[in-house]
Amino acid sequence: SQTIHQWPATLVQPVGSPLSLECTVEGTSNPNLYWYRQAAGRGLQLLFYSVGIGQISSEVPQNLSASRPQDRQFILSSKKLLLSDSGFYLCAWNKGSGETQYFGPGTRLLVL
Amino acid sequence: AQSVTQPDIHITVSEGASLELRCNYSYGATPYLFWYVQSPGQGLQLLLKYFSGDTLVQGIKGFEAEFKRSQSSFNLRKPSVHWSDAAEYFCAVGRRGLTGGGNKLTFGTGTQLKVEL
Repeated sequence: SQTIHQWPATLVQPVGSPLSLECTVEGTSNPNLYWYRQAAGRGLQLLFYSVGIGQISSEVPQNLSASRPQDRQFILSSKKLLLSDSGFYLCAWNKGSGETQYFGPGTRLLVL
Repeated sequence: AQSVTQPDIHITVSEGASLELRCNYSYGATPYLFWYVQSPGQGLQLLLKYFSGDTLVQGIKGFEAEFKRSQSSFNLRKPSVHWSDAAEYFCAVGRRGLTGGGNKLTFGTGTQLKVEL
């Protein structure tokens, strides 16, 4: 069966520091991968998605970037965090267009 | 562009009572429709989905939802709520016919369900 992992679970970072969040999927190959951010009372916002290694699509202009160095690894990064980057970051995967997305446990980021 | 509205931010029901969570979407064709549930500090778990066919879909944990094209709605229901159902519920819309892979979902802002014992 497939599983999705996110690391770390919780992170507290000062403003201006770099960021690296990791998402890995097991038990499948060539998944579509997604990064969402969830802010309180605002639902989920799609940040990036990837349909293959090195292929990244950005949905919203922002302070963050994403990379997919391996087939089942998706990285969310920032060079300098802003206060507004605080939130709950969720990674998801699916196979093929239209298929259900399955979510990881999330990373809670607090920027102080 | 597609959009999803969940008009109820908070709902409180008594344990054993029936539940209906509302979801309205805006989309030019028949979308993919999903309901997810999120417990505090956790990821999202799929409750049910509608792709095509029977407009009444059954999900896990005794939930069901009905797709009503004429009302652009996909309301979630449960006949008898359990205290463990307290969580946040998200409705989501996915677009059909994407080429090049991927399926971008648009989520509602969520409905927080509280269950009184």
